[in-house]
Amino acid sequence: ILNVEQSPQSLHVQEGDSTNFTCSFPSSNFYALHWYRWETAKSPEALFVMTLNGDEKKKGRISATLNTKEGYSYLYIKGSQPEDSATYLCAFPRSGNTPLVFGKGTRLSVIA
Amino acid sequence: NAGVTQTPKFRILKIGQSMTLQCTQDMNHNYMYWYRQDPGMGLKLIYYSVGAGITDKGEVPNGYNVSRSTTEDFPLRLELAAPSQTSVYFCASSYGPGSAEAFFGQGTRLTVV
Repeated sequence: ILNVEQSPQSLHVQEGDSTNFTCSFPSSNFYALHWYRWETAKSPEALFVMTLNGDEKKKGRISATLNTKEGYSYLYIKGSQPEDSATYLCAFPRSGNTPLVFGKGTRLSVIA
Repeated sequence: NAGVTQTPKFRILKIGQSMTLQCTQDMNHNYMYWYRQDPGMGLKLIYYSVGAGITDKGEVPNGYNVSRSTTEDFPLRLELAAPSQTSVYFCASSYGPGSAEAFFGQGTRLTVV
């Protein structure tokens, strides 16, 4: 993998469901993995920046895990709410001093 | 704090016209970036800067120019607008590269007709 890949591309869940999405990235020369939340008509906002293999981060009902050896990160949302509807982006720098490369995102729609 | 401020929010240009997208940040960040977002394509890096007086090309720089005369400002110039430049443009800044989170402006929706 040369870039970051996200799956699924889109997801529709019912309110109260828990869900998760995947970000795959190059496992060699790893520096950091970012997750951003992007609501419609707004700008992306950082959720997590993860740097260590095995790292787990949590913010409210949203959490993320990181596996740098195999090159993937999972984002979990527990008990999805309509306000969780957004596009979730992951991004990584190809080296320690280069800008972020973004995936195409996972678009989540939570139906009340 | 205002964070990252972009102007204008919307603009319609005719083919061949020029314009400058303004971006300013008040967080004293050294790193600033311009991305464009096309449907289904994610964010693509146009240009970036690691400090005043230093700029570098990103993945899709053709048709654009930038300058960085101050830490705060990073304008993006379109010299001869083309329909392929119809997009949503985001300016962002960060304290450092790599593991520092990026802060984004509200975006500029540009249509070239």
